[in-house]
Amino acid sequence: DGGITQSPKYLFRKEGQNVTLSCEQNLNHDAMYWYRQDPGQGLRLIYYSQIVNDFQKGDIAEGYSVSREKKESFPLTVTSAQKNPTAFYLCASTDLERGGNTIYFGEGSWLTVV
Amino acid sequence: QQPVQSPQAVILREGEDAVINCSSSKALYSVHWYRQKHGEAPVFLMILLKGGEQKGHDKISASFNEKKQQSSLYLTASQLSYSGTYFCGTDPSGNQFYFGTGTSLTVIP
Repeated sequence: DGGITQSPKYLFRKEGQNVTLSCEQNLNHDAMYWYRQDPGQGLRLIYYSQIVNDFQKGDIAEGYSVSREKKESFPLTVTSAQKNPTAFYLCASTDLERGGNTIYFGEGSWLTVV
Repeated sequence: QQPVQSPQAVILREGEDAVINCSSSKALYSVHWYRQKHGEAPVFLMILLKGGEQKGHDKISASFNEKKQQSSLYLTASQLSYSGTYFCGTDPSGNQFYFGTGTSLTVIP
């Protein structure tokens, strides 16, 4: 079945550590996105990528980094510069060629700082 | 860039109706509606692409105004399973997606 796989589902980070959240899709979508969701809040765009080896900052990119070396993979690194990283992270993708298409989401990753 | 949703929260009894609004200061390429249960990924409900468009399935429908700056989601004869947080997703340029702040909907028996 086609879809988006995020891992891990739950992750704990110590102060000062970098952590990487994985996002893999087998939908052959060009565009991929990372969103952050705080409790009771909406989704805020961190980074997005429309093509391999290219990505753009969203509204809250500070303290995060991404790479897009393969079409199907878009990992997100939460660096130690992100002062308040505890949140629910969602990866998404869509087929830009067909325009206005459905956004598919992964199951999300919970990150907690301990 | 983030669209504005209203109301922020609503509580309904089973069988009652609700309307959730989503507004943007700019014309949009499309608008998407999603429902999210706590700790889960948002689930796609529907997409509207054309000004003046209305669509729906079962007892959930949505409209997109002529200027493509406002959309409304209509839930009629609400069921317990409708509970969750509803988000509109907007696409101002055809390649970026921004989501509203969400509307928490609680249906009680």
